[in-house]
Parts: sequence; structure tokens; C-alpha cells
Amino acid sequence: GNSVTQMEGPVTLSEEAFLTINCTYTATGYPSLFWYVQYPGEGLQLLLKATKADDKGSNKGFEATYRKETTSFHLEKGSVQVSDSAVYFCAPHRSYSSASKIIFGSGTRLSIRP
Amino acid sequence: NAGVTQTPKFRVLKTGQSMTLLCAQDMNHEYMYWYRQDPGMGLRLIHYSVGEGTTAKGEVPDGYNVSRLKKQNFLLGLESAAPSQTSVYFCASSYSGDLSYEQYFGPGTRLTVT
Repeated sequence: GNSVTQMEGPVTLSEEAFLTINCTYTATGYPSLFWYVQYPGEGLQLLLKATKADDKGSNKGFEATYRKETTSFHLEKGSVQVSDSAVYFCAPHRSYSSASKIIFGSGTRLSIRP
Repeated sequence: NAGVTQTPKFRVLKTGQSMTLLCAQDMNHEYMYWYRQDPGMGLRLIHYSVGEGTTAKGEVPDGYNVSRLKKQNFLLGLESAAPSQTSVYFCASSYSGDLSYEQYFGPGTRLTVT
């Protein structure tokens, strides 16, 4: 079936620490890969995406590379800030009938200490 | 642009009551979606629409109905609320069903059924 496995949270780091949030997925075909972020009290918003193998998505200092051979899309940031505290969702998009469906995992809650 | 808006933000229902959640988008998107978010389960697709006048079932459609009478609006109805429908509901929209297009989310509606 189609599923996403993300590292369990919560993850707590100090400001300026290096961040990795692992994500692996199973999906038929070749999905597009997204990271969405949910800040407290808000809806989800796009963080970055990659639509084909070996593509790297980047935004706000975050990066993730589409690794087809390992079916992974790990999220990294070199120096986190308090404002990065949020829940992060690795979210492949796959075809669902005539639409595009997001495969959601349970998310990884990130807390950054000043 | 307001993006995707949802009303109401919060609601408490008694078992058996009915209600309608309204989603509106001002981006002229064809595709609209309703998700529910439950702790530890990520987001799950309830219903979606690929255009005005069309609706289709998602992963967890039972107990819900939807309508898309106008392109900018997507309504989610609960005919007879049950405690299992306590959740946070998110509406989303996208320009296309192509896998590479992001979905834009509203701020959510927190529903409690007692």
C-alpha cells in the first residue's frame, strides 16, 4: 500500500543546531514529494517540494533530496531557529482517481529552545 | 487574496445534531478537498471535488456529505454527528490534479461532538 514513515516526535533542539527529519515512503509509481509545515494554530503550508528523482527542494534554509533508490525524502536544516518550531509533514502526492491525493504521515513535532 | 478560509473556527455539537462547514477559496482553483486531522493519524481525505458541480469520495467518507455548487465554495455536512467525528477539519484547494501542484490549506475547524 501507500504509506509514509517519519521519525517520531517530539524533537527538541537548541537554537542553531543541525536538523534532520527522516522520511521514507512506499507508493506505486513515481509520486511528487512534498514537505508541509503546520505552525501552531494554523493550517498546513508548503515548505518545499521535488517532483522527480534527484531533484532537491529548498526553502527558508531547509533542503530535501528526492532519492528514488532509497524511497526517501529527508528534511535538513543547518541551523534551526526558534521560529522553526512547528509540526512537519512528509507528504508524497499520488494519483487518486482524477485528482491528486496527499499521503500523510502522523507528522514530526519540532521544538527549538532559545 | 484571502486564500482558503473556513467557517466556523470552533464548534461544539451534541450527538445527533447536524451542521455544515463552509470552505471558500479566491484563487480560482478547480480542485478542492476536505481532510480530517486526528492525533497520531495525520490527515485523511474525506471528500474532494475536481470542479464546480462535482464531488467524489475520499478515504473516510462515511457520515459526511459535500456539495460544490459554486467553484469557490466547498461545503462539508454532518447529518447526524457522532463522537467519532470529533476532529480538526481542514479544507484545501489546488489549481490542478497534477501531482506536482501544491495544495493550499485553510486554518481549520475544531469540532467537538459530545
